[in-house]
Amino acid sequence: DGGITQSPKYLFRKEGQNVTLSCEQNLNHDAMYWYRQDPGQGLRLIYYSQIVNDFQKGDIAEGYSVSREKKESFPLTVTSAQKNPTAFYLCASSRRGGGNTEAFFGQGTRLTVV
Amino acid sequence: GQQVMQIPQYQHVQEGEDFTTYCNSSTTLSNIQWYKQRPGGHPVFLIQLVKSGEVKKQKRLTFQFGEAKKNSSLHITATQTTDVGTYFCINTNAGKSTFGDGTTLTVKP
Repeated sequence: DGGITQSPKYLFRKEGQNVTLSCEQNLNHDAMYWYRQDPGQGLRLIYYSQIVNDFQKGDIAEGYSVSREKKESFPLTVTSAQKNPTAFYLCASSRRGGGNTEAFFGQGTRLTVV
Repeated sequence: GQQVMQIPQYQHVQEGEDFTTYCNSSTTLSNIQWYKQRPGGHPVFLIQLVKSGEVKKQKRLTFQFGEAKKNSSLHITATQTTDVGTYFCINTNAGKSTFGDGTTLTVKP
């Protein structure tokens, strides 16, 4: 069953702790993306990766880090430097990163920092 | 991707009424994609437009790409309660996809 999986669905962390969100895809897609969505707002791009071992900052990369050691995996770490980490995080993948290809989204992880 | 502005931000309609959302850019877009996000869900791809003046239809949904490739629209004929959600347009350029803020549609039965 092909798809993109994010885990966990809900995550609670104490302020000051780093937390890593998982994103795995078995679609053999080259490109992967991380977005943040705040209530009632659109999606803002955090990081994206067009190929293994390479990634670029999106519009709001500060306080986040990523790695792309394997084609199928693109974990996102929310560090303690992120001033307002509570949000809905969405991971996506597409066949290639140059555009003209549909993006598939995971179910999202709702992170709450208390 | 280049910045795209979407209007309106919210639209409330009576079931059976039509609905249109617009995406506008100050620069020429290489392509535009439309996604729908149901409340509490994740965005789902609807369609991609690439050619100048392109029009595509999916049942009650009609998508248009402007002649100058600077704007696009999504029109829904005779809305149903299943149409509720937020509709996003995005542009992808050099691997970077940028979403507009979306138009949230609510449908009163």
